[in-house]
Amino acid sequence: DIVMTQSPDSLAVSLGERATINCKSSQSVLNSSNNKNYLVWYQQRPGQPPKLLIYWAFTRESGVPDRFSGSGSGTDFTLTISSLQAEDVAVYYCQQYYGTPHTFGQGTKLEIK
Amino acid sequence: EVQLVESGGGLVQPGGSLRLSCAASGFTFSSYSMSWVRQAPGKGLEWLSYISSSSSTIYYADSVKGRFTISRDNAKNSLYLQMNSLRDEDTAVYYCARPVAGYDYWGQGTLVTVSS
Repeated sequence: DIVMTQSPDSLAVSLGERATINCKSSQSVLNSSNNKNYLVWYQQRPGQPPKLLIYWAFTRESGVPDRFSGSGSGTDFTLTISSLQAEDVAVYYCQQYYGTPHTFGQGTKLEIK
Repeated sequence: EVQLVESGGGLVQPGGSLRLSCAASGFTFSSYSMSWVRQAPGKGLEWLSYISSSSSTIYYADSVKGRFTISRDNAKNSLYLQMNSLRDEDTAVYYCARPVAGYDYWGQGTLVTVSS
């Protein structure tokens, strides 16, 4: 199984500041046949199901604000929120769908400082 | 509008069984693979199972293999999860989700509580 490890486990950032969450996979999730990383990011607010933010490691889902961006390739990935807003308080998860099981990271709790 | 609505959760004793359903609407259900994901109280997300559009390909997490069975009825636009030999650690909110370059749509979830 591919193990996904996020860092940090929790993060407190001031409003308007940058937030950065990292995700590392135990093996590459880059498909060499199409040059796509099978890595996504979700946001989960309390009491809500996860919401897809980023797919193919850096493609923003429709309707997701452009302050959210994804980067990385192979085994190391980053989710960046360029200017934190109050509504961004949530738990963020990465997930790989390169191989089954489609494993998730343990989550990163983002709070306002 | 795509909608996924889970049902069938509830309180069950250890060793018991439960069948979850997920009613899909707003898209051509028969053209899409589907999955189940769960989340224990206060914990992270755990992928459970995947079924292809024609049911020809099925995968399970090791934690539920041999106890849970995923199935679908394309004529009824429905996805199912038959859960047998339930354990305390199966207590969680169970979500159905549609895997398309990640999981782009999720239901609101149904709570399963395993307790005596």
